[in-house]
Amino acid sequence: KNQVEQSPQSLIILEGKNCTLQCNYTVSPFSNLRWYKQDTGRGPVSLTIMTFSENTKSNGRYTATLDADTKQSSLHITASQLSDSASYICVVSLLNAGNNRKLIWGLGTSLAVNP
Amino acid sequence: GAVVSQHPSRVICKSGTSVKIECRSLDFQATTMFWYRQFPKQSLMLMATSNEGSKATYEQGVEKDKFLINHASLTLSTLTVTSAHPEDSSFYICSARDLGRAETQYFGPGTRLLVL
Repeated sequence: KNQVEQSPQSLIILEGKNCTLQCNYTVSPFSNLRWYKQDTGRGPVSLTIMTFSENTKSNGRYTATLDADTKQSSLHITASQLSDSASYICVVSLLNAGNNRKLIWGLGTSLAVNP
Repeated sequence: GAVVSQHPSRVICKSGTSVKIECRSLDFQATTMFWYRQFPKQSLMLMATSNEGSKATYEQGVEKDKFLINHASLTLSTLTVTSAHPEDSSFYICSARDLGRAETQYFGPGTRLLVL
């Protein structure tokens, strides 16, 4: 069964601290893995997208890693800011028949950054 | 980056009425648009895939006669919730795939629907 599991479900950290969010997936055939940030009441915003051959990708203070062998990914946030408070969603794209892609969504990690 | 807009941002309606939500790609052409629904503390659930000029493809369990989708141009798709009921209250989000960058989906800001 194609699934994406994220941990922790929620996380509270102090402003300025670093944190790492985890994503495990059982999706096949794998096409790519994406991390999105979703503010409350808003649509998701793409942070990173990685293909099978990419191990790490950075976007400012966000760094995503991918281990395609163990089917794990992480999102590391450095020097957190209050505006980082949001839900972070891991999404894995699989390749359907006919070269169509389907997105498998994780439930997200709710991050709260406190002053 | 590419911008996708939705209108309205929130709507309150009476049970039994129909509600139309617009999704526009503002600075790129989108041959494919997607409609999602998200309930509180849950992940986005794909409702349907909309291709410009053709009928939408609905996910299993989504009633096509209740959720009417029209994708009349490369920059506009509409979702009409017909005869809305309180259980249709949800956060509806569209996304658009850039014609020139097939892997990238840009999401709209969402529409909060409350059916009384």
